[in-house]
Amino acid sequence: EVQLVESGGGLVQPGRSLRLSCAASGFTFDDYAMHWVRQAPGKGLEWVSGISWNSGSTGYADSVKGRFTISRDNAKNSLYLQMNSLRAEDTALYYCAKGAMDGYYFDYWGQGTLVTVSS
Amino acid sequence: EIVMTQSPATLSVSPGERATLSCRASQSVSSNLAWYQQKPGQAPRLLIYGASTRATGVPARFSGSGSGTEFTLTISSLQSEDFAVYYCHQYNNWPYSFGQGTKLEIK
Repeated sequence: EVQLVESGGGLVQPGRSLRLSCAASGFTFDDYAMHWVRQAPGKGLEWVSGISWNSGSTGYADSVKGRFTISRDNAKNSLYLQMNSLRAEDTALYYCAKGAMDGYYFDYWGQGTLVTVSS
Repeated sequence: EIVMTQSPATLSVSPGERATLSCRASQSVSSNLAWYQQKPGQAPRLLIYGASTRATGVPARFSGSGSGTEFTLTISSLQSEDFAVYYCHQYNNWPYSFGQGTKLEIK
């Protein structure tokens, strides 16, 4: 059974940093691209960042480019999101999502970790 | 960046009736379009990928169509468990993008 478990969320002041983690199990982690998707309270989904299976390719939404860095450790079956210079508008539930083998849609999602940016 | 626009924002339909949800892309995404269902307090669930292929375990009453810039999700006979928010998602190019969602509510 595929499982994605996010952690690392919490309350943080504007301008500070936070690192999210996603622990994956139930599939061969290093075969798949992985992504972060966020959802602000009461709002829709926003793709944040993605990384290829071997970390050779990464992508970011314009809203986080230059502030967030995605990475992965295939030996630990883990995905990360380093978030710097956080803003109030980064407040959201952050989901880890698994890319599908035959395309780049998201076939499995975690339950999310909540990040609140506030003074 | 490709902008995805869903319509309507809210759709009120009676159980047993047909629901048609639309999604438009600001430029062609070929068939690289997925649909997700999200219920309150839950993570999104994949319904459709490749514009028209049902994901594993998705009931046959869900169908997707379209290519290029115009896409449709049809639910042929609404069941109580289908009332939720639906999002389209283009994965043709980074940065990926989602539509703003259509809330399907009971009439």
